Amino acid sequence: GAVVSQHPSWVICKSGTSVKIECRSLDFQATTMFWYRQFPKQSLMLMATSNEGSKATHEQGVEKDKFLINHASLTLSTLTVTSAHPEDSSFYICSATTTGGGGYEQYFGPGTRLTVT
Amino acid sequence: DAKTTQPNSMESNEEEPVHLPCNHSTISGTDYIHWYRQLPSQGPEYVIHGLTSNVNNRMASLAIAEDRKSSTLILHRATLRDAAVYYCILNRVSGTYKYIFGTGTRLKVLA
Repeated sequence: GAVVSQHPSWVICKSGTSVKIECRSLDFQATTMFWYRQFPKQSLMLMATSNEGSKATHEQGVEKDKFLINHASLTLSTLTVTSAHPEDSSFYICSATTTGGGGYEQYFGPGTRLTVT
Repeated sequence: DAKTTQPNSMESNEEEPVHLPCNHSTISGTDYIHWYRQLPSQGPEYVIHGLTSNVNNRMASLAIAEDRKSSTLILHRATLRDAAVYYCILNRVSGTYKYIFGTGTRLKVLA
C-alpha cells in the first residue's frame, strides 16, 4: 500500500525558534498533501491543503505566515512552524492523496510530536 | 462541508461483531463516506469507503442506508488490536477533497 513518512517523529525546540517538519510519499506521487494538528484527547484539525507547485490554502484561523507550507515536488511537502511558542506544542500529521475525487483515500503519515519549551 | 455524528465511545467483547454507527443527514449526492481509525500516537489508518452500495474488504464492511443519511462500520470479529478511535468522514467528489474530522468513536475491546 501507499506509504507516507514524516521526519522527524518528534522534536523539542525552544520558544521563538522555527521548526521544519517533512512529509514524503514514498511510493507514489501525491497530487495533494494535507497538514493536520491534533491536541491531546482531541480530533484532528485540518490546517492546510497544498498542491505541488501551488500556494497552500490555509484553513480559517490558521496563520499562513506562522505555519509555512512548501510543496516543492510530488513527493515532498514541508511544514515550518515559525517563532514557535508552547501553545504550538501538538501532534502534527500529514496526509497525501494520489488523485482528486472523493472516492480516493488519503494516506496518513505517522505524525510528528512537537514540544516547545 | 457536511458533518458527521458518532457516539463518543463504545465497548465490545473480543471476537464479537461490532457495529459502529455514523449519522450524516446533510450528505450530498456527491459525498463519499470514508472510515478511518487511529491508534494512540499514530496517524489515522484507512479502513473502508463507499458511495451508495455496501462495501466489504479484509478489514471491515460498510453498510450504507438507502437514503445515505447514515452508515455503519461493521467489524466482524473484534480483536484487542481493533481498539482505536474510529472516524467517519464525508469526502466530496469534486472540490478540495479535504477531510473534516468529527469527534469519532473510541472503541474499547474487552478481553
